[in-house]
Amino acid sequence: QVQLVQSGAEVKKPGASVKVSCKASGYTFTSYYMHWVRQAPGEGLEWMGVINPDGGAISYQQKFQGRVTMTRDTSTSTVYMELSSLRSEDTAVYYCARAADSWSADNWGQGTLVSISS
Amino acid sequence: QSALTQPASVSGSPGQSITISCTGTSSDIGGYTYVSWYQQHPGKAPKLMIYDVSNRPSGVSNRFSGSKSGNTASLTISGLQAEDEAEYFCSSYTNSRTLVFGGGTKLAVL
Repeated sequence: QVQLVQSGAEVKKPGASVKVSCKASGYTFTSYYMHWVRQAPGEGLEWMGVINPDGGAISYQQKFQGRVTMTRDTSTSTVYMELSSLRSEDTAVYYCARAADSWSADNWGQGTLVSISS
Repeated sequence: QSALTQPASVSGSPGQSITISCTGTSSDIGGYTYVSWYQQHPGKAPKLMIYDVSNRPSGVSNRFSGSKSGNTASLTISGLQAEDEAEYFCSSYTNSRTLVFGGGTKLAVL
């Protein structure tokens, strides 16, 4: 079965960077794009971007342009999301989610809590 | 890209039907059939309930249905059950080749 397993919770200081990983299994890694979505405490879902594991093409939400980098390692079926210049508003649970053809997210990781605190 | 507009909350009694709306623009919902709906229980990851406006993934109850008219998509849940109490989010592909979510709707089953 499809599984997306994310790295553990992180606590970072303002101005630092964080890199979250998402290891995929149970399907052909390069056949599906991967979304990154975040959710601040008590808030809704916010789409950050999507990466194509087959070739690495990426689309980011304009809000995150210049601060976010999405990469992949096909040898380990893992995608990464790095967010830099962290501020308190970046405190959130970050999810990876497999993208179906229709841009829906049909399988989700368990989420990674990133807390920003001085 | 502005978030899609959803009502903050809806409620219904067990056995009843409810509908949650999701309003966008011609640049997202109105221009594509790539509308999805997600269910999220507290502390859990979202779960895909509807994709491509009205299609259900395998394993999702047929009590859940979706539709679209113009710039507004809708999720209908019939035969409400206690387990349906959750937050629901819509999403749509956009003409900027991005994805946008709605603000979420909390469903209370009274």
